[in-house]
Amino acid sequence: EAQVTQNPRYLITVTGKKLTVTCSQNMNHEYMSWYRQDPGLGLRQIYYSMNVEVTDKGDVPEGYKVSRKEKRNFPLILESPSPNQTSLYFCASSLTRSTEAFFGQGTRLTVV
Amino acid sequence: AQKVTQAQTEISVVEKEDVTLDCVYETRDTTYYLFWYKQPPSGELVFLIRRNSFDEQNEISGRYSWNFQKSTSSFNFTITASQVVDSAVYFCALTGWEGGKLIFGQGTELSVKP
Repeated sequence: EAQVTQNPRYLITVTGKKLTVTCSQNMNHEYMSWYRQDPGLGLRQIYYSMNVEVTDKGDVPEGYKVSRKEKRNFPLILESPSPNQTSLYFCASSLTRSTEAFFGQGTRLTVV
Repeated sequence: AQKVTQAQTEISVVEKEDVTLDCVYETRDTTYYLFWYKQPPSGELVFLIRRNSFDEQNEISGRYSWNFQKSTSSFNFTITASQVVDSAVYFCALTGWEGGKLIFGQGTELSVKP
């Protein structure tokens, strides 16, 4: 089944404790992105990747890191999480830069 | 700058009513792509439709239809004979010529009551 898989689905952590949210797609898509969803703000892009080893900042990259060492994986790293990073996070992939994006199930992160 | 505006924050209808969700966009690109996504209460994002800027044909898929008008920079979504299962948050989104990034509207929460 074609899908984007994120883990974990839910995470509660403390301020400053490094964490990684994994994302994997099995559709051989070139593009992958991370978005965060906050009430009243819709979804905003954090980072995106056009291919292996090629990444770029989205609209809200501060406090996040990403890497794309393999085509299928695009982990999101929070080196020192803060409470304002409490949000619902989505990973997405698309075949090309203009085709529809397929989203993972979401990761609800709470930083206390 | 690119922007998507969904002015309707919440809409409530009774089952079998028709409902239109508005989407207005801003972009300087001549080539761009518009999308609608559905987010049901379970939280996942489901792709509904993609439209490129050169194709102004309206689209109908079952009870769903989309009206794309470049003259008014709008890409509205109509659900005919709404059902309770249509209750969700609906997002309109835009990507420009460079692609790679979806610009989302704030979303419209649709509640269909039996």
